[in-house]
Amino acid sequence: RKEVEQDPGPFNVPEGATVAFNCTYSNSASQSFFWYRQDCRKEPKLLMSVYSSGNEDGRFTAQLNRASQYISLLIRDSKLSDSATYLCVVNRAGRGSQGNLIFGKGTKLSVKP
Amino acid sequence: NAGVTQTPKFRVLKTGQSMTLLCAQDMNHEYMYWYRQDPGMGLRLIHYSVGEGTTAKGEVPDGYNVSRLKKQNFLLGLESAAPSQTSVYFCASSYSIYEQYFGPGTRLTVT
Repeated sequence: RKEVEQDPGPFNVPEGATVAFNCTYSNSASQSFFWYRQDCRKEPKLLMSVYSSGNEDGRFTAQLNRASQYISLLIRDSKLSDSATYLCVVNRAGRGSQGNLIFGKGTKLSVKP
Repeated sequence: NAGVTQTPKFRVLKTGQSMTLLCAQDMNHEYMYWYRQDPGMGLRLIHYSVGEGTTAKGEVPDGYNVSRLKKQNFLLGLESAAPSQTSVYFCASSYSIYEQYFGPGTRLTVT
C-alpha cells in the first residue's frame, strides 16, 4: 500500500452537488491528518485538520476511520470557487521524522455552472 | 505579516549552473521545509530544519544543500543544476510539528 493514496479524479460536478473524496494511509502510527487545497499554479493551503470524532467547517466535513486507515472529505453545495486539487496529508510517524508530512498526489475537483 | 515568502519566483538555469533559493518567514516558526512538486508525483520533501542551525535530509535530498543560519530564513542550494531538477519548489514553515504554511513557490527550469 502506498503511504497516502487518493483517487486522482478528476471529479466533474455541477454547482450545488455534494462530492466526497477518500484517502487511505499505510502507517497505523500516524496521528495527525489534514486536507489541503491547492489551486492551479498556487501553493497548497490548509483547508482543515481531521479529528478522530470527525469535524465540520461550513460546507466541509472531514471524517477519520483509524481502524480502516481511511480519511474522507465531503463538500456540500459545491461552488465554482471549490474547483481545485484537494490533498490528503498525514504525518510521517516514527523516529527522526519530526514535523514531516506525507502528501497524497491530490484529487482534482472541477465544479461546473 | 507576509507569512512565507520565496525568491525568486521564476528562474531558468543552464545545466551545471548553480543557484540559491531563499525562503523567509515572519511567523517565528521553528520548523522549515523545502519541497519539490512535479506532475504526477505530488509534493516530495527535499530537506527540512527543526531549528536555527539544524538541517536534515528528506525523501529526495540528492543534488541539493540547505542552510538555516537564521531562524527566519531557509536557503536551498543547487550546486550543479541538472534537467531532472526542473520543478516547482515550495518552502513551508510550521510552529507545531504538524500544520505547515507554504510560500508561493519558485518555478525552476534547467535546460
